[in-house]
Amino acid sequence: QQQVKQSPQSLIVQKGGISIINCAYENTAFDYFPWYQQFPGKGPALLIAIRPDVSEKKEGRFTISFNKSAKQFSLHIMDSQPGDSATYFCAAIDSGNTPLVFGKGTRLSVIA
Amino acid sequence: NAGVMQNPRHLVRRRGQEARLRCSPMKGHSHVYWYRQLPEEGLKFMVYLQKENIIDESGMPKERFSAEFPKEGPSILRIQQVVRGDSAAYFCASSQTATTGTQYFGPGTRLLVL
Repeated sequence: QQQVKQSPQSLIVQKGGISIINCAYENTAFDYFPWYQQFPGKGPALLIAIRPDVSEKKEGRFTISFNKSAKQFSLHIMDSQPGDSATYFCAAIDSGNTPLVFGKGTRLSVIA
Repeated sequence: NAGVMQNPRHLVRRRGQEARLRCSPMKGHSHVYWYRQLPEEGLKFMVYLQKENIIDESGMPKERFSAEFPKEGPSILRIQQVVRGDSAAYFCASSQTATTGTQYFGPGTRLLVL
């Protein structure tokens, strides 16, 4: 099955803390793993993405860690801020062969 | 450079009516994707189109739903004889190529069926 399982469903983090969201997949043909951020009433916005030839990618406060053997990848948000409060979706694709498959999302709340 | 545009942003229809959702991709993008999002759910792929062609419609219900992306003009997702279960947010995304996986989403159309 071309599923992506995401956890946790919701997450509350103190301002300045680290937010960690995990995803797992089954299809070993997936070769691109983006993360999307969605604010209420808005469309998803591409946040950061990784390909399986690297184990980590960092952009500012956002880091993706990728474990190919475990078929897992995670998003880390360092120094979490209230403005990071949103729903985060992981996704995966077998480029050119399958549509983007999304996890069910994690609702992050960063409290002061 | 304008992003993906969708209209209307909100659409209210009564059961049995038709809903037409429009999507203009980013400039230079010729690949369009439609997704449906139910409350508290992730996005579910519906259909992938290139200009004048449907490439993959595996996620679209066989009945009442259709999509097109004409040579000129926006992509259209049409839902005929809407039912309450069609109430959802419908998002369009576009990409420059089919192989990168980098898709950019529009703001969505929120359809409410009364």
